[in-house]
Amino acid sequence: GEDVEQSLFLSVREGDSSVINCTYTDSSSTYLYWYKQEPGAGLQLLTYIFSNMDMKQDQRLTVLLNKKDKHLSLRIADTQTGDSAIYFCAYGPSSGGYNKLIFGAGTRLAVHP
Amino acid sequence: DTGVSQDPRHKITKRGQNVTFRCDPISEHNRLYWYRQTLGQGPEFLTYFQNEAQLEKSRLLSDRFSAERPKGSFSTLEIQRTEQGDSAMYLCASSLPQGQGNEQFFGPGTRLTVL
Repeated sequence: GEDVEQSLFLSVREGDSSVINCTYTDSSSTYLYWYKQEPGAGLQLLTYIFSNMDMKQDQRLTVLLNKKDKHLSLRIADTQTGDSAIYFCAYGPSSGGYNKLIFGAGTRLAVHP
Repeated sequence: DTGVSQDPRHKITKRGQNVTFRCDPISEHNRLYWYRQTLGQGPEFLTYFQNEAQLEKSRLLSDRFSAERPKGSFSTLEIQRTEQGDSAMYLCASSLPQGQGNEQFFGPGTRLTVL
């Protein structure tokens, strides 16, 4: 089946690292994505990783992929109050021709001083 | 602004009325997607166009829903005889032809409230 699971809530102190986790079911997915959504807004693409990679770093963001366990994580270094948002993990399933995206329910990140 | 735009941003309607939403993709993107997002959930795929051709429709897209992209540029999503269960955020996204990343860029969404 096509499913993505994420923990619903994460609270961190400003300046600490945040780690948001995601598990998915389709092992044939090619790309996996992280999106950010602020209140009342659309989705902002943060980063993506190709399925033959283990890690991708982009400034404060680090994506780790464990393809064997179908586990994806997003680490945000030096978390700031502006990082408070909902973070969605997504992938393009092979059954959809890698066109449509399947999203998790999102992890709400709250950053407190 | 060269991102994906959607109009209107908010729509309040009475049950049974028809509504139409518009999406303007990023100009060089030939792929366009519609998603629906309800409160507390991630977006769910509705349909996808490559140029003017509608290539895939989700089972979520009942016969009251119709989407068009007549000239391969902007797209419209129409909901006929709206129901309270149609209340949601309707998101549009666009992407380049499938290649590296197949990144989908989203618009700000149209929030529909059916009374």
